[in-house]
Amino acid sequence: DVKVTQSSRYLVKRTGEKVFLECVQDMDHENMFWYRQDPGLGLRLIYFSYDVKMKEKGDIPEGYSVSREKKERFSLILESASTNQTSMYLCASSWTESSYEQYFGPGTRLTVT
Amino acid sequence: AQSVAQPEDQVNVAEGNPLTVKCTYSVSGNPYLFWYVQYPNRGLQFLLKYITGDNLVKGSYGFEAEFNKSQTSFHLKKPSALVSDSALYFCAVRDRAGRRALTFGSGTRLQVQP
Repeated sequence: DVKVTQSSRYLVKRTGEKVFLECVQDMDHENMFWYRQDPGLGLRLIYFSYDVKMKEKGDIPEGYSVSREKKERFSLILESASTNQTSMYLCASSWTESSYEQYFGPGTRLTVT
Repeated sequence: AQSVAQPEDQVNVAEGNPLTVKCTYSVSGNPYLFWYVQYPNRGLQFLLKYITGDNLVKGSYGFEAEFNKSQTSFHLKKPSALVSDSALYFCAVRDRAGRRALTFGSGTRLQVQP
């Protein structure tokens, strides 16, 4: 079975802190994604990566950056956390071929106070 | 640009009755369509997908979905609902020639009453 793991299930940070969310997949997938999930808004794409050291902005990249130094690991960075970044963050991975579904991690619920 | 609409925030159905969760989409080219389910405090689980071929797609847990190109719809269905089907359901679309990421709808909460 495909396994996508995220470093924390729950995280509480203070405004202005730098926050790292880590995601690891074990299926040698080329593509990795970061979404945030908010009630009534569904999932919105923050960033994705289609290869090591490659990244593309999604629909809401402001306030975030990403890093992919190894194929299995994709990190989301909040440079200076703000209260409006309180959300559920979901990582996903998939094969390159576009017909393949994405596999999701369990999510990290981040609260910024 | 691609988009997905799930017009119902919540769908209520009695156990044993058929259920339908609606989804319409917009893409510039040909779509790949997906349904995912999310149980409380969990990530999303893949249910089924339409890639090509038969418009009726069967997936996990007895769910199926019908692709209708003329109505740009991909409604999720199940002949007989279970209480355990209660969850949050997301429809997603990807343009075959577009970016690799999925675009998701806002989600529909399914509540199955015993």
